[in-house]
Amino acid sequence: AQKVTQAQTEISVVEKEDVTLDCVYETRDTTYYLFWYKQPPSGELVFLIRRNSFDEQNEISGRYSWNFQKSTSSFNFTITASQVVDSAVYFCALSEGAGGGNKLTFGTGTQLKVEL
Amino acid sequence: DTAVSQTPKYLVTQMGNDKSIKCEQNLGHDTMYWYKQDSKKFLKIMFSYNNKELIINETVPNRFSPKSPDKAHLNLHINSLELGDSAVYFCASSQEGISYTFGSGTRLTVV
Repeated sequence: AQKVTQAQTEISVVEKEDVTLDCVYETRDTTYYLFWYKQPPSGELVFLIRRNSFDEQNEISGRYSWNFQKSTSSFNFTITASQVVDSAVYFCALSEGAGGGNKLTFGTGTQLKVEL
Repeated sequence: DTAVSQTPKYLVTQMGNDKSIKCEQNLGHDTMYWYKQDSKKFLKIMFSYNNKELIINETVPNRFSPKSPDKAHLNLHINSLELGDSAVYFCASSQEGISYTFGSGTRLTVV
């Protein structure tokens, strides 16, 4: 069964600090997809990134970067020089294999608070 | 042009009532889902349909009945609403389980 663990319930930082959100996953499949979503106070789920299990290259998008390590089953997310607008709940999620019977399993989320 | 749209956005109703939430996607995806987000923000799948066929039913009370008239629509009907049903319900669609698009959510409050 697939499982996603986000051990950090809540993180508070001061603006401009770097922050890393941890994500550990469990799956028996060799083909799977990992995701990060942002949920701002307005409530919608904003897609940030998708990674497939065969691509371990790290990814950078502006102030956001992701570190995917299959050896430790982790897919961590770093925000560099955090801003108040980054305050949100961040979800890591896993989808096994490919096909119509799949589902997205979410971690419990990490509430990030960025203060001035 | 919204990819996954769900209505209504807010729903306030009394215990014991029956209500429906509608969802439509214009992405041509084969699979649609209902997720429930509880007060602790935990997101859990309820149902998935693939080409109008029920694929996943995750121990949801049978007061909840999904209906998919075609692959672009997945509605959720809830009978005899209870206080514990208060949550945000998200509709989503997916193609091959590779990319997922979510609606903006329906906040259901049962009083």
